Amino acid sequence: SYELTQPPSVSVSPGQTARITCSGDALPKQYAYWYQQKPGQAPVLVIYKDSERPSGIPERFSGSSSGTTVTLTISGVQAEDEADYYCQSADSSGTFPAVFGGGTQLTVL
Amino acid sequence: QLQLQESGSGLVKPSQTLSLTCAVSGGSISSGGYSWSWIRQPPGKGLEWIGYIYHSGSTYYNPSLKSRVTISVDRSKNQFSLKLSSVTAADTAVYYCARASHSYGDNAFDIWGQGTMVTVSS
Repeated sequence: SYELTQPPSVSVSPGQTARITCSGDALPKQYAYWYQQKPGQAPVLVIYKDSERPSGIPERFSGSSSGTTVTLTISGVQAEDEADYYCQSADSSGTFPAVFGGGTQLTVL
Repeated sequence: QLQLQESGSGLVKPSQTLSLTCAVSGGSISSGGYSWSWIRQPPGKGLEWIGYIYHSGSTYYNPSLKSRVTISVDRSKNQFSLKLSSVTAADTAVYYCARASHSYGDNAFDIWGQGTMVTVSS
């Protein structure tokens, strides 16, 4: 199987910058995607192809990639950003075309 | 605006087959450039991709579930379905249907249904 590793939790104060990492061996070769999930709701795509932002997603959400780690950055965090965040990618062989990280709970203090 | 809506049995007995349907509205399931997936989330846990079907009808399943999963499409009803056989308590989860738009990348899930809870219990 293929695994993507995320920290279980990240905490920031309002207005600060939150960074959530996701590590996986195939990330240099495969795009990463990020989803935001609030309690009782379906996930929402916030970043695609490592660093692109779908229409309607605030500019404070950005993504970056370096080697085997991708990072979701939320600048000027707001209370409404408190949620679980999941990365998603694929393994290099195509055996696992869609794999999710374990999720990171973002707490806004 | 395309919308997805899951439906099906919320309670399934162990060893039986879980069956769910995802109705697509506001667009055609036969449109090119998209695939249609099932994803699940056990209570308090993370997301697990189950499998997808392309507009062409070809399918691809998570290897860990492949022996028990069937995804099919009914173009006349503009919907796709999931069957998961020989269920156990470990299959208890919220089941989501989702669309992947290839304009966002190979498997970027840009539209999701609201999810439906399925409990496996006798």
